[in-house]
Amino acid sequence: GAGVSQTPSNKVTEKGKYVELRCDPISGHTALYWYRQSLGQGPEFLIYFQGTGAADDSGLPNDRFFAVRPEGSVSTLKIQRTERGDSAVYLCASSSGQGADYEQYFGPGTRLTVT
Amino acid sequence: AQKITQTQPGMFVQEKEAVTLDCTYDTSDQSYGLFWYKQPSSGEMIFLIYQGSYDEQNATEGRYSLNFQKARKSANLVISASQLGDSAMYFCAMREGVTSGTYKYIFGTGTRLKVLA
Repeated sequence: GAGVSQTPSNKVTEKGKYVELRCDPISGHTALYWYRQSLGQGPEFLIYFQGTGAADDSGLPNDRFFAVRPEGSVSTLKIQRTERGDSAVYLCASSSGQGADYEQYFGPGTRLTVT
Repeated sequence: AQKITQTQPGMFVQEKEAVTLDCTYDTSDQSYGLFWYKQPSSGEMIFLIYQGSYDEQNATEGRYSLNFQKARKSANLVISASQLGDSAMYFCAMREGVTSGTYKYIFGTGTRLKVLA
């Protein structure tokens, strides 16, 4: 079946602009995660959705970052007033449950470059 | 304090040999899960193996095995019979149980493995 998809694959934007990154999880997966991966680092947790609600948004760096999942499927990560430090690969992952033993399936990521 | 520590930024191994990638973790939760992921240069994260904190047997998946030493809080990945295609970045990750009140997966900084022909 189809895996996790993310669009766009690459996004170049100017400092101060607004961007939206989209994640389409595996069908039926209730748990959805957003991560940010900077060069040479491991993925850094941003936010976790269980269904439509953000169960844990403790990883969002500041109020310029916001994410939604209105129908419990597709999710959008929104970044306002982008800064050069926001440049990274944004990864989305989904899993079929919220227990500690559930494997995450990752999408290919969106590479964001803020100039 | 780091919750996941991978002390080997880079490793080399000869093709067909075995290699161990180190991972130590820190948690006060009784229930947690430990994962290893592979990230080739193409960027996708590929799940390799999972170990639950209550599992008494070490997890194995084909050429991958996880050397789980709970008292030492270590979860090392062993790759047997290395292949050239194993060259990639490897990440150890932990998911604490829901009793901790968090749902996040925490990743280490990774180990870059290079398999030599």
